[in-house]
Formats: sequence, C-alpha cells, structure tokens
Amino acid sequence: SQQGEEDPQALSIQEGENATMNCSYKTSINNLQWYRQNSGRGLVHLILIRSNEREKHSGRLRVTLDTSKKSSSLLITASRAADTASYFCATDGTGGFKTIFGAGTRLFVKA
Amino acid sequence: NAGVMQNPRHLVRRRGQEARLRCSPMKGHSHVYWYRQLPEEGLKFMVYLQKENIIDESGMPKERFSAEFPKEGPSILRIQQVVRGDSAAYFCASSPLDRGGYEQYFGPGTRLTVT
Repeated sequence: SQQGEEDPQALSIQEGENATMNCSYKTSINNLQWYRQNSGRGLVHLILIRSNEREKHSGRLRVTLDTSKKSSSLLITASRAADTASYFCATDGTGGFKTIFGAGTRLFVKA
Repeated sequence: NAGVMQNPRHLVRRRGQEARLRCSPMKGHSHVYWYRQLPEEGLKFMVYLQKENIIDESGMPKERFSAEFPKEGPSILRIQQVVRGDSAAYFCASSPLDRGGYEQYFGPGTRLTVT
C-alpha cells in the first residue's frame, strides 16, 4: 500500500542549525504535502508540492520532490525553538481519495 | 472565518458505550475527512465524505464505526460499543473542493479515552 515514511524518526538540533527530514513513498502521487503538529494539537499545513514540481520554498522551508526516487525532503533553515514539533509528509495518490500520512519525524530544537 | 471545529475536545467513555464525535468544516467547505491518530504515530485515514455522501470509507473498521455528513449540521463520527483499543485522537479535516491539489484544514481533534 502507498505510505509516506519519514526519516529520521527523531532529530535533535541546536537553535540556528538547519533541519532536514526525508519522506519516501511507494506509489504514484498527484501531490505531496508537509504538515506540522505541535504536541497535543491538530495539524498545520506547511507546503504542497505537485508531482510535476521539483522544488518549492516558503519562508524558511524548502521542499524537494524526486518522483523517480519516490522521495521528498523538507529543509528548515535557521531553526528556532518554536519549530519543535512533529513533521508529517502526506501523499495524495493517483488512484483514489486517500491522503496517506507517514509516522512523522519528531524535531527537537534546543535553545 | 472560523477554522474547522471539533467537539468535544476530550471524551471519556466506558467500554460498551457509544462515542459521538462532531466536526464542523470551515465555512464554504463541502468535503470532510476523518483520521485517527494513536500516540507517537501518524494519522490513519478513515473516511472521506461530501454532503450526504460517503465517498471513500476504506479506512473505517467494518463494524461499530459509522460516519455521516448531513445536508445541514456537522459531520458525525460514531463509534458504537467502544473498546479500549478505540482510545485515540480523532481528527477531521475539510477542504473546499475535491482535495486533489487542495490542502486540508485540520481541526484540533477529539481525544477519546475508553476506560
């Protein structure tokens, strides 16, 4: 089944450093999205990248998509303590209506 | 424009009772999605509904779970005869159109605890 899988499962960095999270999936997609979830809260949409796009920027976020490798990466530059959260990739497949979420990367940014 | 609203935020039920979770989508959104999240895990798709129609319920357990999105009022996720394994956070999301290419807006979730 199609599934987004994030890597690493957890990441701990110092404030000011960059954080890179990766996501792999298994089947063809229409688009891929990244979400953030603070502990005990709902998800916040960060960025959507379509299958015909290779890179997208939004503020301190940079997302890449490599459909040949079925993978995406999320880069957060100049991290802040407030970036501490879980980050999920989610894929919308070509064959249905499901949005499939990965298990997430837990990012800890130490002040 | 209020965001997606869910209530209750926390729900405690004894085994065997029924749980009703409500979701009011954002204004103008006619597509609703329900997800379940276990601790330390990602969200698992349950069901996708449009007004008065279930479009995809492939993620819903076959028994005890049902969902509806009536013409008027919120979407309801209903769990009958709850068991401890139903304890989880349940999130709904809405989108303005078929979510192909549109982001989903998530509610704050309902945390169900079955005792």
